[in-house]
Amino acid sequence: GQSLEQPSEVTAVEGAIVQINCTYQTSGFYGLSWYQQHDGGAPTFLSYNALDGLEETGRFSSFLSRSDSYGYLLLQELQMKDSASYFCAVRDRTGFQKLVFGTGTRLLVSP
Amino acid sequence: NAGVTQTPKFQVLKTGQSMTLQCAQDMNHNSMYWYRQDPGMGLRLIYYSASEGTTDKGEVPNGYNVSRLNKREFSLRLESAAPSQTSVYFCASSPSAGVNNEQFFGPGTRLTVL
Repeated sequence: GQSLEQPSEVTAVEGAIVQINCTYQTSGFYGLSWYQQHDGGAPTFLSYNALDGLEETGRFSSFLSRSDSYGYLLLQELQMKDSASYFCAVRDRTGFQKLVFGTGTRLLVSP
Repeated sequence: NAGVTQTPKFQVLKTGQSMTLQCAQDMNHNSMYWYRQDPGMGLRLIYYSASEGTTDKGEVPNGYNVSRLNKREFSLRLESAAPSQTSVYFCASSPSAGVNNEQFFGPGTRLTVL
């Protein structure tokens, strides 16, 4: 099967940079995704990495190392509105768009 | 475009009661999914539908049934609710040939079973 590990909670201050790590075990890899979820809200897609390296989208970047089965989400210039839970997810080995999610990292941004 | 809509938003059931959660999407997506999310947990897949006319079990299907009514609608039924089914239920959709694993989620249904 597949499993993903993330830290349960990360804290940071406004304006700082924070990195949220994700390690995964999967028998077939079809890309690592990141989703953001505010309290009481629905998950929303942030980024996707299929190949090694860094993908940048504004203040958010995502990195993947397939040889290490490891990825991270990097959030720069943190804002209070970035306080949310962040989930990494891998595509199921069947190749269909069936995702397996990690248990999530709660990010708390303080003034 | 409304995206993915779910009804109801909140529901309280007694043990043994049945109910159907409704989901619809207006993005012409082929694939639809039902997840549950328990406090402090990630999303766990209950059932999914790769395309109209097909459904398959996910990670936690016991106690649930689904119907892909047409391309737009995918419903989740609890035949005999149990307290262990207290959770937040999310419906999602995606293009079947999506290249970036992006799924679009509805606002969720918060279900309490007493």
